[in-house]
Amino acid sequence: DTAVSQTPKYLVTQMGNDKSIKCEQNLGHDTMYWYKQDSKKFLKIMFSYNNKELIINETVPNRFSPKSPDKAHLNLHINSLELGDSAVYFCASSQGDRGSWGYTFGSGTRLTVV
Amino acid sequence: KNQVEQSPQSLIILEGKNCTLQCNYTVSPFSNLRWYKQDTGRGPVSLTIMTFSENTKSNGRYTATLDADTKQSSLHITASQLSDSASYICVVTRSNDYKLSFGAGTTVTVRA
Repeated sequence: DTAVSQTPKYLVTQMGNDKSIKCEQNLGHDTMYWYKQDSKKFLKIMFSYNNKELIINETVPNRFSPKSPDKAHLNLHINSLELGDSAVYFCASSQGDRGSWGYTFGSGTRLTVV
Repeated sequence: KNQVEQSPQSLIILEGKNCTLQCNYTVSPFSNLRWYKQDTGRGPVSLTIMTFSENTKSNGRYTATLDADTKQSSLHITASQLSDSASYICVVTRSNDYKLSFGAGTTVTVRA
């Protein structure tokens, strides 16, 4: 199936740990994103990569570090996890950084920090 | 204050009935407005996209309208089905930097 796939779907971890979320898309898109959906359901952009280059880096703690080994992958590594990091994280992709042809979202990773 | 406000926050309707969701925005300059459907535990899926010159667009039983002058949009669901139960999110794109602004969504529950 053509899609944006994220792993894991659920992640429960203790404060202070380091964790990674992986994202892969097989749509041939050249731009990938990480979004955070908080408890109030707002989706907020965190990072955007176009052809493996960082083009959007919103104000997020530097404990969050995206890594794009190739156009089809954008992983999110989080250091020293805090309670406030608990949220659902969505990966998305588009063709072009303007999203003119639409965005495809993954199913989300629910991160719970305890 | 969020630049995209949706109402109502949630609603419950009986199967077969119609409903209308509202989206007001202040995003400027405007590029386009999209409606997404987000099922529980899934990512958002695009329903419609409208640019400045488009007033209405349909996708099956979903019809979106846009009034760019008043900066308002609506999503009308006709003859609702149980599978329409989801969160519907309004997303507005800014034309200078293509940044997306998301509404908090309207949670629709369709009951038999």
